[in-house]
Amino acid sequence: QTVVTQEPSFSVSPGGTVTLTCGLSSGSVSTSYYPSWYQQTPGQAPRTLIYSTNSRSSGVPDRFSGSILGNKAALTITGAQADDESDYYCVLYLGSGIVVFGGGTKLTVL
Amino acid sequence: QVQLVQSGAEVKKPGASVKVSCKASGYTFSDYYIHWVRQAPGQGLEWMGWINPNSGGTNYAQKFQGRVTMTRDTSFSTAYMELSRLRSDDTAVYYCADSYGYRDGYYMDVWGKGTTVTVSS
Repeated sequence: QTVVTQEPSFSVSPGGTVTLTCGLSSGSVSTSYYPSWYQQTPGQAPRTLIYSTNSRSSGVPDRFSGSILGNKAALTITGAQADDESDYYCVLYLGSGIVVFGGGTKLTVL
Repeated sequence: QVQLVQSGAEVKKPGASVKVSCKASGYTFSDYYIHWVRQAPGQGLEWMGWINPNSGGTNYAQKFQGRVTMTRDTSFSTAYMELSRLRSDDTAVYYCADSYGYRDGYYMDVWGKGTTVTVSS
């Protein structure tokens, strides 16, 4: 069974830069997995940030960017703001119409 | 603008079934897939499957096969997710989200606000 891995938690200072990653229990993530990223604050529905590795969803500020770093997908937030404090989830496409969520990263801005 | 409006909260007993609806507006319903994703209290997001409103074709996560049925009514631009043989660990918020499908790796684009399903005796 394929497991998508994310850091359980991360912290960043206001104005700082943070990179969250999304990996596979076995193997490397490439653009062929079409990594996407979602932001969720408590009690709210998820919001789509990034799709197809590095395409920003409509209305998403360019402080958010996606990439492949080494063998993982990555979400980088530059100039972190207080309202970036959220849970972040990645999704990978495994083929045959199947997608899987990572376990999520809780980002603290302090 | 694109909007997905979900049905209201449900309380069900163990062993029962629940059917959640997701009404789309602001776009041609048959042009985009609908995913269903759930989130148990304090837990992460979990993909359940999708339906192609154009063909009615479905793809379910292995975990839910045999217990979930996704359907649509194109006349009402509405997708449905029915989960049967409910257990207490099915207590969760259920979200629908639209998707361009295979073109961009089935990513979720616009999300509904969620439907809380509580399973309790």
